[in-house]
Amino acid sequence: DGGITQSPKYLFRKEGQNVTLSCEQNLNHDAMYWYRQDPGQGLRLIYYSQIVNDFQKGDIAEGYSVSREKKESFPLTVTSAQKNPTAFYLCASSLQGKPYEQYFGPGTRLTVT
Amino acid sequence: AQSVSQHNHHVILSEAASLELGCNYSYGGTVNLFWYVQYPGQHLQLLLKYFSGDPLVKGIKGFEAEFIKSKFSFNLRKPSVQWSDTAEYFCAVNARFGNEKLTFGTGTRLTIIP
Repeated sequence: DGGITQSPKYLFRKEGQNVTLSCEQNLNHDAMYWYRQDPGQGLRLIYYSQIVNDFQKGDIAEGYSVSREKKESFPLTVTSAQKNPTAFYLCASSLQGKPYEQYFGPGTRLTVT
Repeated sequence: AQSVSQHNHHVILSEAASLELGCNYSYGGTVNLFWYVQYPGQHLQLLLKYFSGDPLVKGIKGFEAEFIKSKFSFNLRKPSVQWSDTAEYFCAVNARFGNEKLTFGTGTRLTIIP
């Protein structure tokens, strides 16, 4: 069954801790994306990667970091520098050259207290 | 850079009512336009897309959208909604000749009352 897996579904952390969100895809897609979804603000792009070992900052990259060591994996680290980390995080992937046909994962809801 | 505006934040309709959700974009060049839908508890998925040609595009589940270039708009319509259309709808734009980014609007929550 092809798709995108994000784990865990719910994640709780204490303020000041870094936390890494997992995103794996078996769609053989080249491009992968991380979005943050907040009520009333839609989806905002954090980072994206078009090929392995390369990634670009999105619109709200501050306080986040990513890596793309494997085609199927694109983990996102929410660092302690992120001022408002509590949010719903969505991972997506697409074929190279087709950023509009993105396939989304189920999301991870991160709560930092 | 491109931007998208969705002015309807929450729309409540009765079943069988007609639907129109507004979407306006801002970008100086040529764009591709999309509507995505997020049903409760499900993944965000593509509803319909416009690249070029006929400005009236049809998507899944009876939805359609019309691109009006002069108004920079891409409104979503459905003549008769069903309870199962309850979801959050996102308009999105992508610069046709440019970066690989998809820019989303803030979303419209649609609630259909049976």
